Amino acid sequence: QVHLVQPGAEVKKPGESVKVSCRTSGDTFTMYYMHWVRQAPGQGLEWMGIINIGDGIASYAEKFRGRVTMSGDTSTATAYMELRSLKSEDTAVYYCARDGPIKFGTWGQGTRVTVSS
Amino acid sequence: SYELRQSPSLSLSPGQTARITCSGDALTTRSASWFQQKAGQAPVLVIYKETQRPFEIPERFSGSISGTTVTLTISGVQPEDEADYYCQSTDYSGVYFVFGGGTKLTVL
Repeated sequence: QVHLVQPGAEVKKPGESVKVSCRTSGDTFTMYYMHWVRQAPGQGLEWMGIINIGDGIASYAEKFRGRVTMSGDTSTATAYMELRSLKSEDTAVYYCARDGPIKFGTWGQGTRVTVSS
Repeated sequence: SYELRQSPSLSLSPGQTARITCSGDALTTRSASWFQQKAGQAPVLVIYKETQRPFEIPERFSGSISGTTVTLTISGVQPEDEADYYCQSTDYSGVYFVFGGGTKLTVL
């Protein structure tokens, strides 16, 4: 069974960057898509973007374009999401969610990112 | 930007039937999924491709579509079904994904 493993929490200051990791365990398949979704405190789910781990091609939601970079390392089965120029409004839980065989079929447990001076 | 519209909340007693709707103009051509999120937990996929249920999801969960509206039905709600439910689809291009605002189901 596939599991997605994320770090528990990160604390950053305004203006800094955060790079959240998402490691796949339980299979050796290297050709898949990974979504990143965030959830601010008390708010709904917000789609940030998607990356094809096999070829590294990503598409980003308009809101985050220019401030986010998604990447993947097939040798370690790990996906990354880097968000730059952090603001207090970026305080949220950041989830990775994998496609294959079902879109959004498997989710990580989430990484809580707190942006505070 | 494209939006999916959900009613914000629903309160039912155990054993009643919950119908949670999600409306979006592109739903006539784009696939939809439903997610359950319990407090403090990651979302879980309960319905995909409008009507398909993952094998681990109880049979009381079902999905349907009519025109530009998809519906998640929970037949005979249980206390453990209390959660936020989100629909998800894409815009007309199929490239950009979107979630509905979520519906909070309370089981009294």
